[in-house]
Amino acid sequence: AQSVTQLGSHVSVSEGALVLLRCNYSSSVPPYLFWYVQYPNQGLQLLLKYTSAATLVKGINGFEAEFKKSETSFHLTKPSAHMSDAAEYFCAVKVDSSYKLIFGSGTRLLVRP
Amino acid sequence: EPEVTQTPSHQVTQMGQEVILRCVPISNHLYFYWYRQILGQKVEFLVSFYNNEISEKSEIFDDQFSVERPDGSNFTLKIRSTKLEDSAMYFCASSGSGNSPLHFGNGTRLTVT
Repeated sequence: AQSVTQLGSHVSVSEGALVLLRCNYSSSVPPYLFWYVQYPNQGLQLLLKYTSAATLVKGINGFEAEFKKSETSFHLTKPSAHMSDAAEYFCAVKVDSSYKLIFGSGTRLLVRP
Repeated sequence: EPEVTQTPSHQVTQMGQEVILRCVPISNHLYFYWYRQILGQKVEFLVSFYNNEISEKSEIFDDQFSVERPDGSNFTLKIRSTKLEDSAMYFCASSGSGNSPLHFGNGTRLTVT
């Protein structure tokens, strides 16, 4: 069975600082991995996806994530945080044999001025 | 950019009543989904729908739930007899293929009193 663990329910950074949101997955078969962002009172918006083409994936708004099979990780990073990045971020996993996305519990990113 | 639209944004109903949550997926998408997020908990998969039938469902999606694509544009989730624990944010999503990223609507907040 697949699962996703996001370490840290809340992460607080200063504006301009590095953002690192952690995601570890469990899957017995090659996974598809996704990061979604949720702004208040809105739906889930796709940030980026890993589908085995390249281990370093670039997404929207300056975010990127690196797939590390040896560490079963897919951490999300951004070199310099902006106030507008404050939101909740969800990591999700999917496999070929299933239609469903399995989400992590989410990490709320707070950006301090 | 095309988007998934959900109505209503907020639905309040009494326990035991039937509710229908409505969604208009992106027009050229073929796969449709419902997810829910109970306050403070993970986003959970409910059901996927393709080619006019359910392709996968979770253990949450019991006999109280049903989905329908009544015409070429709408996709609905019906809860026959609502319970207090059905209170949650319900997200509709669609995708162009089974492995494409999901596009989510802004959700319907269902409150059962």
